[in-house]
Amino acid sequence: KNQVEQSPQSLIILEGKNCTLQCNYTVSPFSNLRWYKQDTGRGPVSLTIMTFSENTKSNGRYTATLDADTKQSSLHITASQLSDSASYICVVTPPGGGSQGNLIFGKGTKLSVKP
Amino acid sequence: NAGVTQTPKFRVLKTGQSMTLLCAQDMNHEYMYWYRQDPGMGLRLIHYSVGEGTTAKGEVPDGYNVSRLKKQNFLLGLESAAPSQTSVYFCASSYSGTRSFPGSDTQYFGPGTRLTVL
Repeated sequence: KNQVEQSPQSLIILEGKNCTLQCNYTVSPFSNLRWYKQDTGRGPVSLTIMTFSENTKSNGRYTATLDADTKQSSLHITASQLSDSASYICVVTPPGGGSQGNLIFGKGTKLSVKP
Repeated sequence: NAGVTQTPKFRVLKTGQSMTLLCAQDMNHEYMYWYRQDPGMGLRLIHYSVGEGTTAKGEVPDGYNVSRLKKQNFLLGLESAAPSQTSVYFCASSYSGTRSFPGSDTQYFGPGTRLTVL
């Protein structure tokens, strides 16, 4: 069964520090891999998207990397801010695209940034 | 543009009651989805629609019905609510067209509806 597993489940860091969130997946190849940010009480918002052939993608202080050999993706957050406190969800789209409702969601990592 | 909106934001039901959740999008997206999110479970697809008048079952469809009478609206119905349906419900929509490009299938989510069934 295709799976997406994220670690850690939760993480607490101090404001200004860097952190890295992990995503391990089994579906390979895939159409694309996304990282979503979900603020408390809100819907998820897409942060980055990478195709199977890409290694890295940045969005401001967020950098996603992809290692197709080890089937791992990481989301690195630089110089964390209080507003980074949220859940981060890794989502893999199988080959053929995700419009048919076949996205594979991880359970998310809950990040808390403390002052 | 409002994006994806959901009504209501909160609701408390008693077991056996029925209700309808409304999702509306103003992005002219063809595809729409209903998910539920439970602690420790991640997002799970309930039903989805690939166009006006069409619906399909997702991973956890039992106990729910949907309708897509208009392109911009996607309704989720609970005919006889059960405590197991206590959850946060998210609607999402995505572009579809003849062109495929990176990100063309990005799903845009609504703010969610928190439902409690007593």
